[in-house]
Amino acid sequence: GAVVSQHPSWVICKSGTSVKIECRSLDFQATTMFWYRQFPKQSLMLMATSNEGSKATYEQGVEKDKFLINHASLTLSTLTVTSAHPEDSSFYICSAGNFGRNTEAFFGQGTRLTVV
Amino acid sequence: DAKTTQPTSMDCAEGRAANLPCNHSTISGNEYVYWYRQIHSQGPQYIIHGLKNNETNEMASLIITEDRKSSTLILPHATLRDTAVYYCIVRGGGGSNYKLTFGKGTLLTVNP
Repeated sequence: GAVVSQHPSWVICKSGTSVKIECRSLDFQATTMFWYRQFPKQSLMLMATSNEGSKATYEQGVEKDKFLINHASLTLSTLTVTSAHPEDSSFYICSAGNFGRNTEAFFGQGTRLTVV
Repeated sequence: DAKTTQPTSMDCAEGRAANLPCNHSTISGNEYVYWYRQIHSQGPQYIIHGLKNNETNEMASLIITEDRKSSTLILPHATLRDTAVYYCIVRGGGGSNYKLTFGKGTLLTVNP
């Protein structure tokens, strides 16, 4: 399958600071990228969908000013958690696909964010 | 997207076939059945997908009933590394329907 890489794999930050997570499609051009959040022992929850060059579409209840998403190129999307608080501590996972060519989406390895 | 129902957990002996069922009785004609799995603390891994015909790849086989209201994922020779949460997801085939909505999935435990 196609390769999607996330960086960093884990990050610890202080409350009130911002953290940026990168998601890259390494061997294909991703027309669409998705960002998910997963709390312990729960399933993945979709946060937002982004198409290259367009503003992200956020799911209900997700604050767009807190979770800034940029999808400036066909191989890179970033999620910035602004003014992070301990309750933002979670496992963040990106997914990417080129839906003009096929219908599968591929996932990054995830980023464990801990806010202290 | 149609909702899916999966057992919460299953056990399988190493080397035996693992058969994971999924009900999707409200699936519509243009919706696909996708299977992903998530090994602890990793991102989900794509396994297989299908519309109405049975599918097979190097990882698994997907059997979809004729009425498309249920399907079964088959891992032919389960190994300990197949222990994971398996998600059955029904998704539209185009437009803005490419997003995947995850349910609780089935925790498959492969025992030695």
